[in-house]
Amino acid sequence: GAVVSQHPSRVICKSGTSVKIECRSLDFQATTMFWYRQFPKQSLMLMATSNEGSKATYEQGVEKDKFLINHASLTLSTLTVTSAHPEDSSFYICSASGLSGNIQYFGAGTRLSVL
Amino acid sequence: GQNIDQPTEMTATEGAIVQINCTYQTSGFNGLFWYQQHAGEAPTFLSYNVLDGLEEKGRFSSFLSRSKGYSYLLLKELQMKDSASYLCAVWNYGQNFVFGPGTRLSVLP
Repeated sequence: GAVVSQHPSRVICKSGTSVKIECRSLDFQATTMFWYRQFPKQSLMLMATSNEGSKATYEQGVEKDKFLINHASLTLSTLTVTSAHPEDSSFYICSASGLSGNIQYFGAGTRLSVL
Repeated sequence: GQNIDQPTEMTATEGAIVQINCTYQTSGFNGLFWYQQHAGEAPTFLSYNVLDGLEEKGRFSSFLSRSKGYSYLLLKELQMKDSASYLCAVWNYGQNFVFGPGTRLSVLP
């Protein structure tokens, strides 16, 4: 159990376009989903926390209009990077909890490259 | 605020034992996690400590002392595949979840 699927695994896009990343819990209901960003050789930085059916809670410094999060069901959350720019290029990782208390299970990550 | 500290890098030999330390300063502590992350991949869950003491799981063990704000991850019988980053993360009340900087472990033959 505790499989989290993240799609796509890699995306290359032009500056100014929007990119949507999906995160699904395949075999459990995720009461909470998290979105992280990770730069090379650095640790994970939490961007936002979302509970199903409610607005996401964004960390300080993360623009909510730039990074749109939707948690429409107990198994799906999406992150949309709007009007992407080269500085948004990064590794984005989602995680989900709800199967075993506070333990977070991670998706495989999405490597975003904005040209 | 909160602060989590780990050594940046460690090196050990195949078959040996290595201890990776994590110190934290936080309010409303609700648990400490250890994750393993191979380069370019997502983290995988290793252990969760909420009470003081040692939790053993195969070759990996994790220890917590809440009064000292201290945890360690102990890896026994090191294998080459254990070369990875090890992330300590603290969960606070209010769903505030913070990862430490991570420790890059290199296992040498």
